[in-house]
Formats: sequence, C-alpha cells, structure tokens
Amino acid sequence: AQSVTQPDIHITVSEGASLELRCNYSYGATPYLFWYVQSPGQGLQLLLKYFSGDTLVQGIKGFEAEFKRSQSSFNLRKPSVHWSDAAEYFCAVGARGGYQKVTFGTGTKLQVIP
Amino acid sequence: DADVTQTPRNRITKTGKRIMLECSQTKGHDRMYWYRQDPGLGLRLIYYSFDVKDINKGEISDGYSVSRQAQAKFSLSLESAIPNQTALYFCATSGRDEAFFGQGTRLTVV
Repeated sequence: AQSVTQPDIHITVSEGASLELRCNYSYGATPYLFWYVQSPGQGLQLLLKYFSGDTLVQGIKGFEAEFKRSQSSFNLRKPSVHWSDAAEYFCAVGARGGYQKVTFGTGTKLQVIP
Repeated sequence: DADVTQTPRNRITKTGKRIMLECSQTKGHDRMYWYRQDPGLGLRLIYYSFDVKDINKGEISDGYSVSRQAQAKFSLSLESAIPNQTALYFCATSGRDEAFFGQGTRLTVV
C-alpha cells in the first residue's frame, strides 16, 4: 500500500532563512508526487507536482522540490522564507487519473519568526 | 468567486442530529471529493464521485452519505452525528492532475 511520511510535525524558521520540509513515500511504481499548502482558514493549494522528467520541480511562491528515487524522497525547499509562508504543508503521493488514488501525509506546520 | 464553495463554514450540532454539508464548484470538472481532516492524521477520503451517476466510497465512509445533485454540486450528510465526527471537512474537485479545494467546514458535534 502506498504511504507518505512527513517526519516533522512542526518546524520553526527565522524569516529570511532557508527551509527544507521532508517527505518520504512508499509506492510500488513511479509515483506522482505533490506538495500542497494550507494557510490558516483556507483550503489546500497546490504548490508543485512531479510526474516525470526533470527531478527538480519549480512551483509557485518560490518553492521547489527534488525527487530522489533512491531515497524515496520528495523534499520541499525555499531559499528564503517570508512571514507569509507560515502555514501547514502536505506532501501527497498517488497515481495519475484522479485524487481517489492520492494519499496525503500528515502535514508539517511551519512557523516563521521575525 | 471561489472555485469551490462550501457551506456552512462552521457548524455546531448535537449528537444524533442529521446534518448536511454542501459543496459547489465552478471548475467544470466531473470529479468531486469529500475529505475529513483531523490533527495529526492529514486528509482522509470519505467519498468521491466521477459524475452524477458514479459515487464511490473512500477510506472512511462509515457514518456518512453523499448526494451528487449535478455536475457542480456534491453534498455530504451525517445521518446521525456523533462526537468523533468533529473535524474539518473539505470538498474538492479535480481534473486529471490538480485538485482544487474549498475552504473547509469546521463541524463540531456536541
């Protein structure tokens, strides 16, 4: 069965510092991978997705993620965090063809301090 | 207007009451979903629908039912609410690759 692990429940970074959120997955074939962000009181918004091709994926809001098959990881990065990035971040893995096949991680809550 | 609109945004109900959460979308997608979010558990799929006549159970459908009234409308019902159904509920719609989520309904069952 497919699964996603986000080992960090909560992360605190200073504004302007770099950020890396970890995501490890288990999937029997080539995975489709996603990162979503949930701002307070909002629904989830897609940051980026990986299906194939270049393993470094650029997303919105200055985020990027790198797919590493050998490590079963899809970590999210941002070189300089802004206070508005404070939110909860969800990694997800699944098959193409509908979200009924997508499994979400438990989320990492990001706090940004001045 | 939001792509996916959920009503109500917040609701407190009593144990044993029937409650309906409503969702409408303007993306024109056929696929719609209902999720439940609990702290530390992420999102779990309750029901999904590929079109008006195609409704399927998800991971945690017990205690819930759904109705797809039109391509754009998908409602979730709790026939007899219980306290452990207290959660944040999300509706979503998707094309092939990206899902669009509503802002959520925070439901409290007392």
